[in-house]
Amino acid sequence: AQTVTQSQPEMSVQEAETVTLSCTYDTSESDYYLFWYKQPPSRQMILVIRQEAYKQQNATENRFSVNFQKAAKSFSLKISDSQLGDAAMYFCAYRSFQGAQKLVFGQGTRLTINP
Amino acid sequence: EPEVTQTPSHQVTQMGQEVILRCVPISNHLYFYWYRQILGQKVEFLVSFYNNEISEKSEIFDDQFSVERPDGSNFTLKIRSTKLEDSAMYFCASNAEVNTEAFFGQGTRLTVV
Repeated sequence: AQTVTQSQPEMSVQEAETVTLSCTYDTSESDYYLFWYKQPPSRQMILVIRQEAYKQQNATENRFSVNFQKAAKSFSLKISDSQLGDAAMYFCAYRSFQGAQKLVFGQGTRLTINP
Repeated sequence: EPEVTQTPSHQVTQMGQEVILRCVPISNHLYFYWYRQILGQKVEFLVSFYNNEISEKSEIFDDQFSVERPDGSNFTLKIRSTKLEDSAMYFCASNAEVNTEAFFGQGTRLTVV
């Protein structure tokens, strides 16, 4: 079974600075998807960014980018120019390419933005 | 923008009572899910539903749980006899096709007293 590990329970960053959240995963599959979801205090899960494992190019979405290292099974999220609205829990998630469409989540990292 | 809608937003129930959590997935979506998040913990998969049947379920999804899509629009999660440990946030999600993005509802906070 696949597992996702986020080793940083909490992170903080100064507004306008850059922060990187770590995620590692374990799988025997070669094709899969990886995601970062944001959960603000409202508790809704919001997709931040997605990466297909067969793509070598790292995904980017405006101020959010990932560093996907397939051999190392590492998938970190970089947030540039941090804003107060970025404060939230961030969850890394894995989904198989074939078959089961369920998401397997990590434990989450709580990100605090200091003004 | 289409969204997944869950009702109620918060439900309080007595231990041993049955609860039904309701979800309206996005209209053209075909894959439906329930996830659970106990306060302060990670989000856990409960069950997936496709073509009017369960496609996968986790160990958490025991005989106390059931899902149904009664009318082609609603997707419900029933807990037959609630326990204190069922207190959690329950999220419904849906996606249109295989390997497309899953959209989450805003969640239902279930409190069992």
